[in-house]
Amino acid sequence: DVKVTQSSRYLVKRTGEKVFLECVQDMDHENMFWYRQDPGLGLRLIYFSYDVKMKEKGDIPEGYSVSREKKERFSLILESASTNQTSMYLCASLHTRPSAGGQGEQFFGPGTRLTVL
Amino acid sequence: GDSVTQMEGPVTLSEEAFLTINCTYTATGYPSLFWYVQYPGEGLQLLLKATKADDKGSNKGFEATYRKETTSFHLEKGSVQVSDSAVYFCALSGSYNTDKLIFGTGTRLQVFP
Repeated sequence: DVKVTQSSRYLVKRTGEKVFLECVQDMDHENMFWYRQDPGLGLRLIYFSYDVKMKEKGDIPEGYSVSREKKERFSLILESASTNQTSMYLCASLHTRPSAGGQGEQFFGPGTRLTVL
Repeated sequence: GDSVTQMEGPVTLSEEAFLTINCTYTATGYPSLFWYVQYPGEGLQLLLKATKADDKGSNKGFEATYRKETTSFHLEKGSVQVSDSAVYFCALSGSYNTDKLIFGTGTRLQVFP
């Protein structure tokens, strides 16, 4: 079974703190994604990565950055957390490469509920 | 751009009732369509998918048919159970980047005994 794990289920931080959310997948998937989930807005893509050291902006990248130094690990970084970044953050991974045509299943982690005070 | 519209919830049903959750989409290409389910306290998991027009995806008693003429992918189940209570997300793969998923806002289903 594919397993996607996230470093924390719940996290409370203060405004201005630097926050790291870690995601690890164990199936050698090329693609990894970070989403945030908010009531009434569904899932919105923050950043994604096709391979090590490669990253692409999603729909809402402002206030976030990412790091992918190893294939299995994709980190989301909030350089200076703000209260409007209080949300559920979901990581996902996917096997296929874009050139081969996606359409595959994204595998999700359990989520990190981040509260910024 | 590509988008997904789902019916708003919550949908409240008694056990054994028939379920329909509507989903329509807008896409410039020929996307694949997905239904994901999120049980309380968990991440999303794939429920079913369809990759081309007239395909029917099915799993765990749920089914959905890819209707190109009406740009719809409605989720149905003939007899729901309390354990089906969850949030259901309709999604499509992007026209220009098929590895990206575009999600609807989600529909919460509550099933009572």
